[in-house]
This record gives sequence, structure tokens and C-alpha cells, in this order.
Amino acid sequence: EVQLEESGGGLVQPGGSLRLSCAASGFTFSAYSMNWVRQAPGKGLEWVSYISSSSSTIFYADSVRGRFTISRDNAKSSLYLQMNRLRAEDTAVYYCARDPSRGRPGYFDSWGQGSLVTVSS
Amino acid sequence: QSVLTQPPSVSGAPGQRVTISCTGSSSNIGAGLDVHWYQHLPGRAPKLLIYGNINRPSGVPDRFSGSKSGTSASLAITGLQSDDEADYYCQSYDSSLSGWVFGGGTQLTVL
Repeated sequence: EVQLEESGGGLVQPGGSLRLSCAASGFTFSAYSMNWVRQAPGKGLEWVSYISSSSSTIFYADSVRGRFTISRDNAKSSLYLQMNRLRAEDTAVYYCARDPSRGRPGYFDSWGQGSLVTVSS
Repeated sequence: QSVLTQPPSVSGAPGQRVTISCTGSSSNIGAGLDVHWYQHLPGRAPKLLIYGNINRPSGVPDRFSGSKSGTSASLAITGLQSDDEADYYCQSYDSSLSGWVFGGGTQLTVL
């Protein structure tokens, strides 16, 4: 069974940093592209970042580019999101999501339960 | 404002059919890029319902179906059940933004 489990969320002050982790199991992590998707309170889903299976290709949403860094460790079957210079509008539940597509922009077939990040003084 | 436009809410009685629309533009759906649909219950992980415009993952009932035409797509749910009450999102890729995009979400109420 595919499992994705996020951790690392919490309360942080504006301008602060936080690192999210996503532990994957039940599939060959190194064969899949991965993403972070977030949902702010009362809002819809928003794609945040993408990383290919080998980490050779990385994309960011305009809203986080230059502040967030996605990475992965295939040996540990783990995905990460380093979030710096956090703003109040980054407050959201952050989900890691697997992309099973090959060679064209894809979709998200498995999701974690999410990790809440709250940016507030 | 979302790149993909969905109605904020739809409703239907048990057993009825409802459709949820998703309208994009020439840089996403109209460019031939695929549309995918998700069901999301509060506090739960989103669930993939339809991928590649019309395909259902294993385990998703055939009461759920997808279609696409031009710059729009639709999700149809037949035989409405109370546990279909959830938020539904369409998703695609936008070539102008170079990123994945979601609709604003549609809240389904089963009357």
C-alpha cells in the first residue's frame, strides 16, 4: 500500500524558517516525481513545487519561488520542503503528492494526510 | 482567482445526477493538456477520481465520469449518495505559468 506521511509542521513567526519532510513507503520512491501542494484555511488547493525522480528537474509556483526549496533523498525514500522567509499567507496544510506520469505534465495519484504550517507572531 | 474556473457549489438529491464544470484557457485545457479531478473531504487526504480527462483509477465507482471539450471539462456524478458530499477540484497544467493549476473547488451538497 502506498503511504505518504508528512511531518515538520508547526507555528513559526513571520520571516522564520521551517522544513517539512514526507516519508514514503509501499512503492519504489526513486521511480516517481513528487510534489508539494497546499491548502490555506478556507481556500482551495494550490500547487507549490515539483521535483523529478532524479532531482534533475525542479519547478516552483511564483508565490514561493526564491523562498522555498524542494529536495529529495531517494536512499531514504523522503521528500523535503525547506521554507524560508515565511509569510502569513504561507499558512496552510501542506501535502506531499506522488505523480505517476512519465514524460508529460501529470497528476497526483497518492497524497499524504498533510502537515499544518502556521505563520503568526 | 484560480486559473481554472469551477462553480463554488452544486447540489442534488440522492439518486440524482450532477455535473461540475471546469473552464480553462488556451494555455491549459485548450492547449490539449489533460484534466484531472479530485475529491476532498475536510481533514482528509485528497483522492484522485479521474485522470487523463476520462480515466478512473481502480476502486473509483463508475458513477464518476469525466469529459473534456475545447477549453472546458466536466465531472459527472450519477446516483448521488450522501457520502459524495465533499469538495471537488479539477487540475491541469498551464504552459504559460509553467506550473500545475487547480480550479477553485466546488462544494457538493447532497440534499
